Amino acid sequence: DQQVKQNSPSLSVQEGRISILNCDYTNSMFDYFLWYKKYPAEGPTFLISISSIKDKNEDGRFTVFLNKSAKHLSLHIVPSQPGDSAVYFCAARTTDSWGKLQFGAGTQVVVTP
Amino acid sequence: NAGVTQTPKFRVLKTGQSMTLLCAQDMNHEYMYWYRQDPGMGLRLIHYSVGEGTTAKGEVPDGYNVSRLKKQNFLLGLESAAPSQTSVYFCASSRTVEAFFGQGTRLTVV
Repeated sequence: DQQVKQNSPSLSVQEGRISILNCDYTNSMFDYFLWYKKYPAEGPTFLISISSIKDKNEDGRFTVFLNKSAKHLSLHIVPSQPGDSAVYFCAARTTDSWGKLQFGAGTQVVVTP
Repeated sequence: NAGVTQTPKFRVLKTGQSMTLLCAQDMNHEYMYWYRQDPGMGLRLIHYSVGEGTTAKGEVPDGYNVSRLKKQNFLLGLESAAPSQTSVYFCASSRTVEAFFGQGTRLTVV
């Protein structure tokens, strides 16, 4: 049973505009949520994380919002740049999971000029 | 600073053959993981290790074995490869929240 879901397989956005990626989860025991970015033929690279006790975390152009009551998080990229074209994975872990991550299926982002 | 290094990057196996995927990390991390990535399914955990000499099953362990004889190395073995094991395999390591991934091994079983 997939506990982390990314329901949008793809997203196309114009350069300079905002990209919003969504992620839903079912397990209320998750204590950290992470976003990873993946280019073709490379491994995922960590982008940003948020603790379950917070509702927002910002790092440069990237902001993650967490809505615990809705079991929903989103990643905002502002402004979007061509180098942001990649697959973005949402992931989550529980406190007692030895760092094991559960991943969503990913969202392919294409930033057009 | 190499981070997490996987060997090999590509491999084609015939059904029934065996092979070992090697993972090495130079960050002195306690935890190491093997994931597989399949289209439309994200990354799924195969096996993991919380320290030298320890291993445990993840979400999809069948058909795989692992060993962690040294802290910096985590080996993934396929004893008798099957076409269903065609996938991209990622090794990762972590100490706290963030996991660091290798560049992946693309395995095709024919």
